[in-house]
Amino acid sequence: AQKITQTQPGMFVQEKEAVTLDCTYDTSDPSYGLFWYKQPSSGEMIFLIYQGSYDQQNATEGRYSLNFQKARKSANLVISASQLGDSAMYFCAMSPNNAGNMLTFGGGTRLMVKP
Amino acid sequence: ETGVTQTPRHLVMGMTNKKSLKCEQHLGHNAMYWYKQSAKKPLELMFVYSLEERVENNSVPSRFSPECPNSSHLFLHLHTLQPEDSALYLCASSHGTSTNNEQFFGPGTRLTVL
Repeated sequence: AQKITQTQPGMFVQEKEAVTLDCTYDTSDPSYGLFWYKQPSSGEMIFLIYQGSYDQQNATEGRYSLNFQKARKSANLVISASQLGDSAMYFCAMSPNNAGNMLTFGGGTRLMVKP
Repeated sequence: ETGVTQTPRHLVMGMTNKKSLKCEQHLGHNAMYWYKQSAKKPLELMFVYSLEERVENNSVPSRFSPECPNSSHLFLHLHTLQPEDSALYLCASSHGTSTNNEQFFGPGTRLTVL
């Protein structure tokens, strides 16, 4: 069974600063994918970034980067140059390779960007 | 319409009612999903359809009944629900069911069971 843990229920960050959202996972699968999603107050889940367990480099997508530390089983999301529109819930999720694309989600972190 | 749409956006129903949630994807995907998002609980995967066949039923009570008539449409039929079924129901789709196939989500249906 897979488990995703996000230990920060809420985070504040000053506009234009960087912020790291923590995610640790537990799985016995040798191959898996890690995802981060953003959920604004409107409810829609927005895909941000993907990291494969065998990818050699950390994933980056614009202002988002994933700090993947396989030995520690952590996949932290780094948002650079925070913007007011980044205020939302952020969810880390994992998909094991041998079970299709069935995502297991963490409990989420609410990020609030201060002007 | 683009992306993944869900109707209705809000639904209030009594425990004896029968209603259906509808999801439509305009992305040419071949896999669709239902998730439940309750307050204070992580998102829970309910059902997965790949090529219109159900490939996952995640121990969901029988009062939830999914239907996937084609690769673009997904329904969730509801009957004799309980107040604890009140939640945000999210639909998603993806191109394939490999690990790296990102899922695109709809805006959700906010369901309240009285």
